[in-house]
Amino acid sequence: EVQLVESGGGLVQPGGSLRLSCAASEFRFRLFSMSWVRQGPGKGLEWVASIKEDGSEKYYLDSVKGRFTISRDDAENSLYLQMNSLRAEDTAVYYCARDQCRGNSCYYYWGQGALVTVSS
Amino acid sequence: QSALTQPASVSGSPGQSITISCTGTSSDIGGYNYVSWYQQHPGKAPKLMIFEVVNRPSGVSDRFSGSKSGNTASLTISGLQAEDEADYYCSSYSSSSTRVFGTGTKVTVL
Repeated sequence: EVQLVESGGGLVQPGGSLRLSCAASEFRFRLFSMSWVRQGPGKGLEWVASIKEDGSEKYYLDSVKGRFTISRDDAENSLYLQMNSLRAEDTAVYYCARDQCRGNSCYYYWGQGALVTVSS
Repeated sequence: QSALTQPASVSGSPGQSITISCTGTSSDIGGYNYVSWYQQHPGKAPKLMIFEVVNRPSGVSDRFSGSKSGNTASLTISGLQAEDEADYYCSSYSSSSTRVFGTGTKVTVL
C-alpha cells in the first residue's frame, strides 16, 4: 500500500523558517511528480507547489514564490518543502500528495498532513 | 490563481440527488478536461472521487458522477446517503502547469 508520511511541522515565529519532509514508500517514487497542498484552519484546500518526476521543473502558488522551495531526493524517496519568511497566513495543515491522472491533474494518494503554525 | 467558485453549502434528503457546481475560467476548467473532485470528512485527508471530469477511481460508488460544460464543472451525488455528508472540493489543472482548488462545498444530509 502506498504510504506518504509528512514530518517537520511545528510552531514558528513570523519571518522564521521550517522544512517539511514527506517520506514515500511502496511505489517507484522517482517515476511520479509530487505536490504539496495545504489547508488553513477552517479553510479550503490550496495547492502550494509541484515538482516533476525528474525534478527539472517546479511550480508554485504565486503567494509562496520566492519564499518556498520544493525539492526531492529520489535516493531517499523523499519530498521536501523549505519554507522561509513565514507569515501568519501560511498557518495550515500541509499535505504531501502524489500526482496522478493525465496532466498530473489529480491526487489519489495523500499523507496524513503536518501542521504548521506561524505565530509569535 | 484565483480559487474556483463553489456554493458554500448544498443539502438534500436521503435518496435525493444533489449537484455541486464549480466555476472557473478558460484558463483552467474551460481549457482542459482535467477536473477532479475530492470528498473530505472532518480531520481526514481528502479522498479522490472523480478525475478527468467524468472518471471514477476504483471503489468509488457509481452514485457519484461528474460533468463539464464550458467553464463550469459539476458533481452529482445520486441516492444521497448519510455517509455522503462531508466537504467537497473541485480542482483543475491550470495554465502554466499550476493547479487550483475550489472554495469547497459542505454537503448536509437532512
